[in-house]
Amino acid sequence: QKEVEQDPGPLSVPEGAIVSLNCTYSNSAFQYFMWYRQYSRKGPELLMYTYSSGNKEDGRFTAQVDKSSKYISLFIRDSQPSDSATYLCAMSDNQGGKLIFGQGTELSVKP
Amino acid sequence: EAGVVQSPRYKIIEKKQPVAFWCNPISGHNTLYWYRQNLGQGPELLIRYENEEAVDDSQLPKDRFSAERLKGVDSTLKIQPAELGDSAVYLCASSKSGPSYNEQFFGPGTRLTVL
Repeated sequence: QKEVEQDPGPLSVPEGAIVSLNCTYSNSAFQYFMWYRQYSRKGPELLMYTYSSGNKEDGRFTAQVDKSSKYISLFIRDSQPSDSATYLCAMSDNQGGKLIFGQGTELSVKP
Repeated sequence: EAGVVQSPRYKIIEKKQPVAFWCNPISGHNTLYWYRQNLGQGPELLIRYENEEAVDDSQLPKDRFSAERLKGVDSTLKIQPAELGDSAVYLCASSKSGPSYNEQFFGPGTRLTVL
């Protein structure tokens, strides 16, 4: 069993839809939770960074962490075609530095 | 501010040949990482440097992979000899040290194809 599980999709939604992306994990030592966006043939780009449980909002993006359920989510409101990319969740423990990634969810937003 | 620079962007080689990848991190970032990303998967850490020191190389296949960061700035990752299973995207990332470890900035990657 992988430490971080992420539904690979692909996920296709119409423009303007609310998108929900999720990851589950098994390592209770994870304290830091990240979401990266990766466009085709590009490197991952950090979108959201949260510590421990709770919510964090940045524009159209909201990250949620539920440590009791070992479950994290990324919500995208008013999705745009430019949001079409692969979204990767990543986590690390207090040691810092070593990120454990999910396999990524491929998202397509149709105009 | 310039991002993480990697070269080459693409490399095609025959199996058993050597190959090297180069990375220049963001200025002021002491920590440098090499990741490998297989098709349809997330990146996996190969090695992490703090300045010149490799502080985590537990996932680096040391029989054929080597890396160096001689002056604590740019870094080279080498594979010798390459195998078919090494085909992947090799990503370099950098971060500041301490609490900023988890805010890693990635380069565009080198896409390696081994024939």
